Amino acid sequence: QPVLTQPPSASGTPGQRVTISCSGSSSNIETNYVYWYQQLPGTAPKLLIYRNDQRPSGVPDRFSGSKSGTSASLAISGLRSEDEGNYYCATWDDSLSGREVFGGGTKLTVL
Amino acid sequence: QVQLVQSGAEVKKPGASVKVSCKASGYIFTSYGISWVRQAPGQGLEWVGWISAYNGNTKNAQTLQGRVTLTTDTSTSTAYLELRTLRSDDTAVYYCARDDGILKPLGMDVWGQGTTVTVSS
Repeated sequence: QPVLTQPPSASGTPGQRVTISCSGSSSNIETNYVYWYQQLPGTAPKLLIYRNDQRPSGVPDRFSGSKSGTSASLAISGLRSEDEGNYYCATWDDSLSGREVFGGGTKLTVL
Repeated sequence: QVQLVQSGAEVKKPGASVKVSCKASGYIFTSYGISWVRQAPGQGLEWVGWISAYNGNTKNAQTLQGRVTLTTDTSTSTAYLELRTLRSDDTAVYYCARDDGILKPLGMDVWGQGTTVTVSS
């Protein structure tokens, strides 16, 4: 059972805005940076958001991240067909001698 | 450009060991860490461990404690993951990724292409 909780699926039509949530606890999200990764079918994960809300160069500004307390969220605006894939949140967890933890992933479908 | 290139697919029998390599280029190897993440077929991402390329410190997932060894060779900018006493549930794609942290894991930015490890009798 993943330490971080994400909805298993999300969907939207082209041009819409969708939000994916990531719920954790005081030992992980509340006290550490959150990262978001996109994994398109058959490919390696790709960094979308780092340090809660920072976008790497090359990632469109349609993608944005935020964090509040023990939860974080990823927003995708102007949804495009090529955004279809799986999205994972991740952070460091200070319990049990420390470990990196991931959400279970959210499968985004563009209708 | 920053790149991580991993070794090729492996097929191993239960009880054997596997060593996966991850060669870095395009950045100063010792200024970052390397994290390892695995993904079983049809499943999500699971953290395996992290090594600082700066000082060699490591942190491993407790679920793999005692079976995994992470090392680096700074002369060739290469990181290695060795997993021993393989079981069928170790079958997965293993990814290396550059980690922002050199004193503790912070987060991964650039990922390797993945190495498929299949454990089967």
